[in-house]
Amino acid sequence: DGGITQSPKYLFRKEGQNVTLSCEQNLNHDAMYWYRQDPGQGLRLIYYSQIVNDFQKGDIAEGYSVSREKKESFPLTVTSAQKNPTAFYLCASTGQGQETQYFGPGTRLLVL
Amino acid sequence: AQSVTQPDIHITVSEGASLELRCNYSYGATPYLFWYVQSPGQGLQLLLKYFSGDTLVQGIKGFEAEFKRSQSSFNLRKPSVHWSDAAEYFCAVGAAGTASKLTFGTGTRLQVTL
Repeated sequence: DGGITQSPKYLFRKEGQNVTLSCEQNLNHDAMYWYRQDPGQGLRLIYYSQIVNDFQKGDIAEGYSVSREKKESFPLTVTSAQKNPTAFYLCASTGQGQETQYFGPGTRLLVL
Repeated sequence: AQSVTQPDIHITVSEGASLELRCNYSYGATPYLFWYVQSPGQGLQLLLKYFSGDTLVQGIKGFEAEFKRSQSSFNLRKPSVHWSDAAEYFCAVGAAGTASKLTFGTGTRLQVTL
């Protein structure tokens, strides 16, 4: 079955540590997105990529980094510069010429 | 800048009752509008979308939404709610020609009483 997978489901970060969240899709979609979800705030866009080897900052990119070396993969790194990383992180993708974003199951990041 | 307002943070309805979730948007041109549903700890599932044409759109799970340009609204409705509809619902607006600028509302949490 085609879809978007995110791993791990839960991730724990220690003080000063960088952590990487995985997002993989087998839908042959060109565009991929990372959102952060906090209670009562909806979804906020962190980064997005419309093609391989290219990506743009979203509304809250500070403290995060991404790469897009392969069409099917768009990992998100939460760096130590992100002082409030506890949140639910959602990855999404869109096919070429399509306007609808499809979402993965999410990763919950917690700080130890 | 585009924006979405979902004025109801939390709604409680009885099973079998009708439901309407409100969504108001602000956007300068013709918007693309979406409703997503999220169960606790899960990703978002698309319920329905409006791009153009008939202003009443049908979605999955018996949901429908009506686009009213004069009121800048895209309210979600269901004639008879089931207990399994309990979840959080998000309205989103995007720009025509690109999906990379989706703006989400803050969500409405639906509770269904038996």
